Amino acid sequence: GESVGLHLPTLSVQEGDNSIINCAYSNSASDYFIWYKQESGKGPQFIIDIRSNMDKRQGQRVTVLLNKTVKHLSLQIAATQPGDSAVYFCAENLDYGQNFVFGPGTRLSVLP
Amino acid sequence: DAGVTQSPTHLIKTRGQQVTLRCSPKSGHDTVSWYQQALGQGPQFIFQYYEEEERQRGNFPDRFSGHQFPNYSSELNVNALWLGDSALYLCASSPNPNTEAFFGQGTRLTVV
Repeated sequence: GESVGLHLPTLSVQEGDNSIINCAYSNSASDYFIWYKQESGKGPQFIIDIRSNMDKRQGQRVTVLLNKTVKHLSLQIAATQPGDSAVYFCAENLDYGQNFVFGPGTRLSVLP
Repeated sequence: DAGVTQSPTHLIKTRGQQVTLRCSPKSGHDTVSWYQQALGQGPQFIFQYYEEEERQRGNFPDRFSGHQFPNYSSELNVNALWLGDSALYLCASSPNPNTEAFFGQGTRLTVV
């Protein structure tokens, strides 16, 4: 599985600005990807997903972009709010099933 | 509609002991997966249960075992606890094996 350090990358944005969180995934054969938000003391919360036959998917205030050529995912959050402050994980599905491999996470800090 | 529920929320065990964690999936979900999340890291897949059988397993030793009951609830058992087993244990459920996983709040296990 993934092995990451204790010091998460941090992204600080001003309230109202747009946020872009990036993730490099590991396996070119992965066909399903999810972005999760995790607040302190809580379990990961589903934000948005995308399958490998798409390159963009939009939700409410969020957009996920998938670039299979360079194995890169991004999560865009529009008009970032204080409630968006959390750790964000991308997760890839390597095969049929629930064996999701999580990225190292990015801490989003929203400044007033 | 209750989401994924886990019990207990916190637990302290002594090295060498055994522990059982419990999970009730979201209504309508028949697939349950377990993840271990060490402090500052992303969740790591332990195993998945579907139709009362272990369907997939991550890179965890045999000390980690589980069970799924006819009502789709699940247990995670860890034998011969190590200090390194201290983590947040997350249960996730989904309506079928290849869709988004919805996580519970987790059980915080501390081994002393």
